[in-house]
Amino acid sequence: GQSLEQPSEVTAVEGAIVQINCTYQTSGFYGLSWYQQHDGGAPTFLSYNALDGLEETGRFSSFLSRSDSYGYLLLQELQMKDSASYFCAPPPSNYQLIWGAGTKLIIKP
Amino acid sequence: KAGVTQTPRYLIKTRGQQVTLSCSPISGHRSVSWYQQTPGQGLQFLFEYFSETQRNKGNFPGRFSGRQFSNSRSEMNVSTLELGDSALYLCASSSGLNEQFFGPGTRLTVL
Repeated sequence: GQSLEQPSEVTAVEGAIVQINCTYQTSGFYGLSWYQQHDGGAPTFLSYNALDGLEETGRFSSFLSRSDSYGYLLLQELQMKDSASYFCAPPPSNYQLIWGAGTKLIIKP
Repeated sequence: KAGVTQTPRYLIKTRGQQVTLSCSPISGHRSVSWYQQTPGQGLQFLFEYFSETQRNKGNFPGRFSGRQFSNSRSEMNVSTLELGDSALYLCASSSGLNEQFFGPGTRLTVL
């Protein structure tokens, strides 16, 4: 099936800013969600972009460009607790799409 | 409000057996979706139930089935287990908006 593509691993330093990209190739794409999953835990919802542009929620921001089939998650002022896997996900209406395989964010002190 | 609960948390089965997993959604949520997660893979959508009806179905073989009860609790069944069915099975409930709330998952190991 069609899937969302994202880098497998990103490394950053505590206090820094990191961007996790997500690209997709499909028509009729209705938006993009981001989820965080700590090792051994369940995915938790971070954000949803229904329209193009930037959505900001505290230290986390998410961006979507439907014309470029591209989105990203921006994490600012990184904290050690942000070490987790981050998934870009299709909205429920695009249920046939496979979620991104996840980006493991490694934060170094 | 209690979160999504899944039982059992861990299961070990052998090839050819069948298994039933259970999910209780957040109170008031009528949509329940099931996903399979394997190491290094994204979540793959199995199916979604809404008001006791299967609303959407992913690309999984017929060995995978599910149902939803009038209280919105849902069960997923896998028959004739294969080694490749070993995975974390996640259940998510939703109130109809785009945010899904996930349970802790059931880790199934097929030997």
